Amino acid sequence: GAVVSQHPSRVICKSGTSVKIECRSLDFQATTMFWYRQFPKQSLMLMATSNEGSKATYEQGVEKDKFLINHASLTLSTLTVTSAHPEDSSFYICSAATGGLNEKLFFGSGTQLSVL
Amino acid sequence: QKEVEQDPGPLSVPEGAIVSLNCTYSNSAFQYFMWYRQYSRKGPELLMYTYSSGNKEDGRFTAQVDKSSKYISLFIRDSQPSDSATYLCAMTSFTGGGNKLTFGTGTQLKVEL
Repeated sequence: GAVVSQHPSRVICKSGTSVKIECRSLDFQATTMFWYRQFPKQSLMLMATSNEGSKATYEQGVEKDKFLINHASLTLSTLTVTSAHPEDSSFYICSAATGGLNEKLFFGSGTQLSVL
Repeated sequence: QKEVEQDPGPLSVPEGAIVSLNCTYSNSAFQYFMWYRQYSRKGPELLMYTYSSGNKEDGRFTAQVDKSSKYISLFIRDSQPSDSATYLCAMTSFTGGGNKLTFGTGTQLKVEL
């Protein structure tokens, strides 16, 4: 399957700082990428849909000023958690869509964010 | 009612057993169905992708879709301890254009020696 690289895999930061997470599609161009959040023993919660060259579409209840998404190229999307607080601690996962017929969604390996 | 229902488990089976994982859905517009495997603290890995009703086999894995009953299944033959993970079903009504998936809650599977 296609490869999606996500970095960093783990980050610990102080409350009030900002954290950037990168998501790259390595062997295909992804017009659309998705960002999810996952709490322990729960399923994926879609946060936003990121389209290359346009503003991200956020799901209801997700603060767009707190979770900044940039999709500057067909292979890179970034999620920046601004002024992070302990309640933002979670597992964040990105995915990239291959596009076209029989489109498939491939996931990054996830980022565990811990805010102290 | 959730659009996709999936028993969270945990499901515990002995090594070598046949595992049956299931999801039901309510939205008849769903046409594409996927199964993902997720190990703890890792991103989901695509296992199976199906479109039509019927069976699709890939190694020890068989995906089954029954659109008339709105029911999908994943069978794992000769289960191994390395199959221990959470299995997520996912589905969407169309592809292309980055349509977002609707996920089940995931079933936690443990294969014991």
